[in-house]
Amino acid sequence: NAGVTQTPKFQVLKTGQSMTLQCAQDMNHEYMSWYRQDPGMGLRLIHYSVGAGITDQGEVPNGYNVSRSTTEDFPLRLLSAAPSQTSVYFCASRRTVGDNQPQHFGDGTRLSIL
Amino acid sequence: GQQLNQSPQSMFIQEGEDVSMNCTSSSIFNTWLWYKQDPGEGPVLLIALYKAGELTSNGRLTAQFGITRKDSFLNISASIPSDVGIYFCVASGTYKYIFGTGTRLKVLA
Repeated sequence: NAGVTQTPKFQVLKTGQSMTLQCAQDMNHEYMSWYRQDPGMGLRLIHYSVGAGITDQGEVPNGYNVSRSTTEDFPLRLLSAAPSQTSVYFCASRRTVGDNQPQHFGDGTRLSIL
Repeated sequence: GQQLNQSPQSMFIQEGEDVSMNCTSSSIFNTWLWYKQDPGEGPVLLIALYKAGELTSNGRLTAQFGITRKDSFLNISASIPSDVGIYFCVASGTYKYIFGTGTRLKVLA
């Protein structure tokens, strides 16, 4: 059972570079989301999707784009990386929005912007 | 944005001791959850609470959903070294999870 798979696990970028963080789930979950975790803080929601073709902004969306062309995949794009985007990024999924089932999290991508 | 107040921020305890942590919000939520995060990994669900007043156990862990729907607590009984990690409370809205800032637990053998 793969669950939620994130790649890469680690990445170092230079300021201004672009990058896509990959997230895939094999549980046929409708809802997927991206969070960032900074030292001493809880996870903060970046973007989420309630199904293929539908995305919406979370608490900290600036500097990030997402798309959801398939149920399985929910990539997060940084178009022009900035040092303030140095963080640990987590992808999560849950079956659907309406049934209160908990989210399942990936193991994270540790991103450093120089 | 909305925030949850989670306390304590960190705890150092002796193996075998009981641990309590809590979380409060200024808003009402219909679901509270507790997750644990080990170093280098993503959060893992410990307990989910769906009804005000609900008390739920998972082994040595017990959590309660406050009557006002604005708070929750987590107790760990007879702590062991593998309990070390960061514990997060989470309040769930329809589309979004709101995380507490975490309680970092260290257990001294």
